[in-house]
Amino acid sequence: EAGVVQSPRYKIIEKKQPVAFWCNPISGHNTLYWYLQNLGQGPELLIRYENEEAVDDSQLPKDRFSAERLKGVDSTLKIQPAELGDSAVYLCASSSGVLETQYFGPGTRLLVL
Amino acid sequence: RKEVEQDPGPFNVPEGATVAFNCTYSNSASQSFFWYRQDCRKEPKLLMSVYSSGNEDGRFTAQLNRASQYISLLIRDSKLSDSATYLCVVFRFILTGGGNKLTFGTGTQLKVEL
Repeated sequence: EAGVVQSPRYKIIEKKQPVAFWCNPISGHNTLYWYLQNLGQGPELLIRYENEEAVDDSQLPKDRFSAERLKGVDSTLKIQPAELGDSAVYLCASSSGVLETQYFGPGTRLLVL
Repeated sequence: RKEVEQDPGPFNVPEGATVAFNCTYSNSASQSFFWYRQDCRKEPKLLMSVYSSGNEDGRFTAQLNRASQYISLLIRDSKLSDSATYLCVVFRFILTGGGNKLTFGTGTQLKVEL
């Protein structure tokens, strides 16, 4: 069974440019998460979806970050415009329920110059 | 105070040693607890859930102490391959305002040496 797929794996952009990350969860997983992880820190939840509904986006900086999960499958996380402090690893995870095991993708390493 | 706190380490132990990590949580309404493992430059993976009665999986034992609001992870007979960062995860339902809250700790780094 395929795991969580994320692309791109690496991205280098200049500040003020837009960037988008894509995630394809494990088939059948209704719950999808986007996390941000800085070096030496644990993952911090940005947004959680139940099917196509964003049920927890309280930690998403909505002035520059947006996300969507059309049709309740794939998801895209966008940053516009990117700032230097956005450099981090962006992890996508999915699970069959909120208390079920989360399976993480390999992450997208973003570097903003 | 952070909702979930862990000693970042690193814990440097010789192969074969027993090592234990604690993770404290601040919200007494927290209901579910997990340990995840994260290898360097890799994604986190579930190691084990933590049950109220404590649970064991091979060389790994997880305990929950609700009175003192901490969970622990004990690793016996450590192997070189146990070297990783161990993330504590705490979950609680939020009755109002929508959503549940799942919080990762910053992780404890373990280095097992020859």
